[in-house]
Amino acid sequence: DAGITQSPRHKVTETGTPVTLRCHQTENHRYMYWYRQDPGHGLRLIHYSYGVKDTDKGEVSDGYSVSRSKTEDFLLTLESATSSQTSVYFCAISELDRGQYFGPGTRLTVT
Amino acid sequence: AQSVTQLGSHVSVSEGALVLLRCNYSSSVPPYLFWYVQYPNQGLQLLLKYTSAATLVKGINGFEAEFKKSETSFHLTKPSAHMSDAAEYFCAVKETSYDKVIFGPGTSLSVIP
Repeated sequence: DAGITQSPRHKVTETGTPVTLRCHQTENHRYMYWYRQDPGHGLRLIHYSYGVKDTDKGEVSDGYSVSRSKTEDFLLTLESATSSQTSVYFCAISELDRGQYFGPGTRLTVT
Repeated sequence: AQSVTQLGSHVSVSEGALVLLRCNYSSSVPPYLFWYVQYPNQGLQLLLKYTSAATLVKGINGFEAEFKKSETSFHLTKPSAHMSDAAEYFCAVKETSYDKVIFGPGTSLSVIP
């Protein structure tokens, strides 16, 4: 299995609070991604990174920001959490034409 | 723009029967194609991938998929379903090595004893 971990695995937070999710890899892969998974929507890309300090928006980036200061870490921040951001968040890593390898997910509940 | 459709959000098969999960894509160039499986409360796991080599791709757990350019399809099959195959299956596409991956909505597979 690819060495990819996510923390925390579960989090409950209140509306309006900031939340940061962490993705850590030990594979030295260049590309890292954050997705959210919701019933009826499959996986939707939030942000991705193609190198240290190089990031770009995905299809559902509003309300989210990311940072990648080291190859191994990719942080997803919800500046002010809303109930619509209740979801399961997955991090993934890849190298070019290989498939993506996914982390175990973080279940976030915003009350 | 790339897109992926998966016919049937839920598929049920009997144990030992053929599994067929359908995937069609739209792409302006020969794409990279993937199938992923997700077991309950887990992340996605790569089953197999097509990257312009052989059109019939064999993956893990006895699954295979055939790329048919004329039909823009990449259907997933397994000759004999096992109870452990019950999971959510996602088809995905990207047009080049550098593109983002686009996922289909997923198909939930149930296996009936």
